[in-house]
Amino acid sequence: DAKTTQPTSMDCAEGRAANLPCNHSTISGNEYVYWYRQIHSQGPQYIIHGLKNNETNEMASLIITEDRKSSTLILPHATLRDTAVYYCIVRVAEGAQKLVFGQGTRLTINP
Amino acid sequence: GAGVSQSPSNKVTEKGKDVELRCDPISGHTALYWYRQSLGQGLEFLIYFQGNSAPDKSGLPSDRFSAERTGGSVSTLTIQRTQQEDSAVYLCASSARDRARGYTFGSGTRLTVV
Repeated sequence: DAKTTQPTSMDCAEGRAANLPCNHSTISGNEYVYWYRQIHSQGPQYIIHGLKNNETNEMASLIITEDRKSSTLILPHATLRDTAVYYCIVRVAEGAQKLVFGQGTRLTINP
Repeated sequence: GAGVSQSPSNKVTEKGKDVELRCDPISGHTALYWYRQSLGQGLEFLIYFQGNSAPDKSGLPSDRFSAERTGGSVSTLTIQRTQQEDSAVYLCASSARDRARGYTFGSGTRLTVV
């Protein structure tokens, strides 16, 4: 699986949009971009994934650059409950492969 | 069930004792994964099961660790002769055949070896 690079930590004000970047310059054509988050003392939670088109669901939006070498997870109206570690992972969607978690970005939402 | 269930939620054991951690995946999920997370650290892959295929044990840190999955459902992670460095949260996840939908994680078992 391609390696990803994320900032170690970020801060965002409550009610603002939180934009979390991820670099994956060695991504292959058949690899998807996945985002998970881990709130303190809980297991990781799936957020969203995409291949090349931008995606949106009830939790977040995912913007993938045209060359697919980077992406941004957007939480449109961050709340205090969005404080968590956010993991960006790239992997093929099919096949019995394990998720490899990096260190992620520790996002703190401030009141 | 509605989610991945792990038991016990907390376990304190004495160094040298054996422990068993249980994971009940979401019904119908064919893949099951074990990870562990030491305090303040990232998630470390341990093992995964996919249907009737041989499990991928490449992440098990030593031969004191083993896991089985009976009937393609419940899984048990066993740690023999526990050491203090085994103290961590052990997380289980399962996924459907269509893995594009992502993994569902349980809440984990917090293991403390004293």
